Amino acid sequence: DIQMTQSPSSLSASVGDRVTITCRASQSISKYLNWYQQKPGKAPKLLIYTTSSLQSGVPSRFSGSASGTDFTLTISSLQPEDFATYFCQQSYNSPLTFGQGTKVEIK
Amino acid sequence: QVQLVQSGAEVKKPGASVKVSCKASGYTFTSYDINWVRQATGQGLEWMGYMNPNSGNTGYAQKFQGRVTMTRNTSISVAYMELNSLRSEDTAVYYCARDYTHPDFWGQGTLVTVSS
Repeated sequence: DIQMTQSPSSLSASVGDRVTITCRASQSISKYLNWYQQKPGKAPKLLIYTTSSLQSGVPSRFSGSASGTDFTLTISSLQPEDFATYFCQQSYNSPLTFGQGTKVEIK
Repeated sequence: QVQLVQSGAEVKKPGASVKVSCKASGYTFTSYDINWVRQATGQGLEWMGYMNPNSGNTGYAQKFQGRVTMTRNTSISVAYMELNSLRSEDTAVYYCARDYTHPDFWGQGTLVTVSS
């Protein structure tokens, strides 16, 4: 199985901050990396698919990039509604696997 | 608009089975796979398997092989996930998620509690 290692596990930030979350795959997954946002008691919401494509309706302050097997989610200017947990997920092959999550909290 | 609406919360005893439904609307049900993913309280996301509603083909995570069955009723656009031999560690929220090349729309989740 492909292991997805996400860091950090949590972070504290202020409104307006630039936030970066990283996910490392244990082997090549090409571009098949997706990012989700989850708020308490809610289902995950797709933000970014295939590394850098923005899901329809998602604000442009969210972006994704990659370097080899390292993938990055960037929030350019953190907004109050962005405080949530973020997960990466590889869809390169089965079984689909997820990172352990990054909780973004208010500083 | 795309919607996946799941059945309500369940409480089961150890050793019992549970069957969760996921009703799709707003798109062609047979054009997208359905994944099932679960999440224990305060934990991460765990993929259980997928089903192709068109062919009925399934693929299960090794951890759940022999204990999970995914089926569908195409006439009413509903996917089902049945998990047998429940144990306390199966207490979690279970999600269905539509998938073409990646999971995009998710159901609201179904809480399954396993307790004696």
